Amino acid sequence: QVQLVQSGAEVKKPGSSVKVSCKASGGTFRSYTFSWVRQAPGQGLEWMGRIIPIFGTANYAQKFQGRVTITADESTSTAYMELSSLRSEDTAVYYCAREGGQFDYWGQGTLVTVSS
Amino acid sequence: DIQMTQSPSSLSASVGDRVTITCRASQGISNYLAWFQQKPGKAPKSLIYAASSLQSGVPSQFSGSGSGTDFTLTISSLQPEDFATYYCQQYKSYPYTFGQGTKLEMK
Repeated sequence: QVQLVQSGAEVKKPGSSVKVSCKASGGTFRSYTFSWVRQAPGQGLEWMGRIIPIFGTANYAQKFQGRVTITADESTSTAYMELSSLRSEDTAVYYCAREGGQFDYWGQGTLVTVSS
Repeated sequence: DIQMTQSPSSLSASVGDRVTITCRASQGISNYLAWFQQKPGKAPKSLIYAASSLQSGVPSQFSGSGSGTDFTLTISSLQPEDFATYYCQQYKSYPYTFGQGTKLEMK
């Protein structure tokens, strides 16, 4: 069965960067795209961007342009999301989601806390 | 960006009730509309895609309809496990956008 397993919770200082991983199993990694979605405490879902591993190309939401980098490593079936210049408002749970036309599977989420 | 507006924001209902949640897009999105269910502390779960197609393994009490700008999610007979927050999402164009969510609570 398909599983997306994300890396563990992180605590970061303002101004630093965080890199979250999402390891896929149970499917053909290069046949799908992978999106990153975040959810601030008590808030809704916010799409950040996505990558097409077979091409290595990424699309980003304008809000995060310049601060987010999404990459993928086909050899390990892992997608990554790196967010830089962290501020307190970036405290959120970050999810990866597999997109096979639509978001069919999600990772378990990674809590990133930004605090001085 | 395409704005997605859900209504209501919250809803109280009882087991066995029929419930409808609506989602309106700020511009036409054809049928590029998905619905998700989220329970506290859990990742969203896909229910419906392409506006009306049921995701594999999702119970048949869930159904979706609509096209263009107006969409609905219907739960035909609420079960105890259906109390959760529901989100719509458009995937017609970047950035993909979600509705603000509808919290379904037990009356």
